[in-house]
Amino acid sequence: SQQGEEDPQALSIQEGENATMNCSYKTSINNLQWYRQNSGRGLVHLILIRSNEREKHSGRLRVTLDTSKKSSSLLITASRAADTASYFCATGTSGSRLTFGEGTQLTVNP
Amino acid sequence: GAVVSQHPSRVICKSGTSVKIECRSLDFQATTMFWYRQFPKQSLMLMATSNEGSKATYEQGVEKDKFLINHASLTLSTLTVTSAHPEDSSFYICSARDHTGTGSEKLFFGSGTQLSVL
Repeated sequence: SQQGEEDPQALSIQEGENATMNCSYKTSINNLQWYRQNSGRGLVHLILIRSNEREKHSGRLRVTLDTSKKSSSLLITASRAADTASYFCATGTSGSRLTFGEGTQLTVNP
Repeated sequence: GAVVSQHPSRVICKSGTSVKIECRSLDFQATTMFWYRQFPKQSLMLMATSNEGSKATYEQGVEKDKFLINHASLTLSTLTVTSAHPEDSSFYICSARDHTGTGSEKLFFGSGTQLSVL
C-alpha cells in the first residue's frame, strides 16, 4: 500500500493566501519530512518533524503531525508566486530510506 | 547545506545504447546514495540504494542488470542504464544523506537527469 498519500493533488490559490497540504501514511514512523520540487529539478528539503513532535515552524512554513491519525499537514502562509512547485511528504522509518507521497502541485497566481 | 551534483542534466540517446549518470556529493562523504525514477506529475520511485564499497540494494521489480550502480568512492555513485529503450525514458534523480552533524535524516538531492531514448 502507498505510504504517504497526499491531498489535494493540485491546489491553485492567489498570492497572499495560505496554502494547506495534507499527508497521510500507514505505518509507524520515526519522522516525517516535506520536500519541494520545482519542475524538472531535484527536491529540496523544507522541514522535518519527529514522531514525538506535534508542530514545527520554519519561516512561513508550519508543519503539524498527528501520529494517532497518521497524518501531517504543511501550511504555507502568505504565499508567493515563487512558491509554485510540487510538494512531497516523505516518511522515515528505522533505517535510512524515505518513502515519498504522491505530491501536491501548488500553483500560486500573481 | 550539503550539495549533491548530478550530471548530465539531460541526455538523448538512441535505442540500444548505454547511458551513465553521475551523482557526486561535493562537500560531504556519502556512504549511502539513493537512485529514484520519476514519471511526469508522479512521485519518486526508489530504484536502488547505493552503498559505498559494496553491492547496491535494488527494489523489487528493478532489473539490476539493466540499471547498473557503482559506488566506488565516498563521493561518487553512478547509474548506468544499459541497452536503453524508449520505455526507459524518464527523470532520474539521486540523493545522499550527510551523516555528519545533526539532521542526518534529511536527504540532499541532485538536480536530476532527463533521459530520452529515441
